[in-house]
Amino acid sequence: SQQGEEDPQALSIQEGENATMNCSYKTSINNLQWYRQNSGRGLVHLILIRSNEREKHSGRLRVTLDTSKKSSSLLITASRAADTASYFCATDYDYKLSFGAGTTVTVRA
Amino acid sequence: KAGVTQTPRYLIKTRGQQVTLSCSPISGHRSVSWYQQTPGQGLQFLFEYFSETQRNKGNFPGRFSGRQFSNSRSEMNVSTLELGDSALYLCASSYGQGVGEQFFGPGTRLTVL
Repeated sequence: SQQGEEDPQALSIQEGENATMNCSYKTSINNLQWYRQNSGRGLVHLILIRSNEREKHSGRLRVTLDTSKKSSSLLITASRAADTASYFCATDYDYKLSFGAGTTVTVRA
Repeated sequence: KAGVTQTPRYLIKTRGQQVTLSCSPISGHRSVSWYQQTPGQGLQFLFEYFSETQRNKGNFPGRFSGRQFSNSRSEMNVSTLELGDSALYLCASSYGQGVGEQFFGPGTRLTVL
């Protein structure tokens, strides 16, 4: 079974718009990570936020973490066609990553 | 630095056969994890190795096994293949003792007929 759940399952936006996706998880974590996957290929690490951090930025990405609500959000600003992909949150605990089901983002030109 | 490599990239087997998948981590990385990805179950953790020791194992039957060699390369084996084992098998490596940022390989696409 999966630790996390992403919301929404799918998202379609226009190029230049922002995309926000949310992740909820169930158990204690060491950190939470976000990954991107293009068309059934390998995953690419985007950002890691530790359990004692509340917000983190990396380029056009902004991640928040609320451990009291066991939730995280990923914001992609000024989206581009190349951002079309599936995005997964993953919680790190006990030497394993537990992934959510993912959010499929489509950026329309 | 070369990325994580997985061989073979594609594999077709029939039910009842066994298969061995290989993963070479990034040079210097000592942790290797394996994941199964299917449309129905998503990404599921199989096992993680650090310095040849299995530190955690996912909820998979004993038909799924793995090992890590002294050079950190890892293999996973699936015996008595079932149709439901058709999946993308992903290997990931990381440097330290914690899981941390994972670097994923391109995966091995296994089809069981």
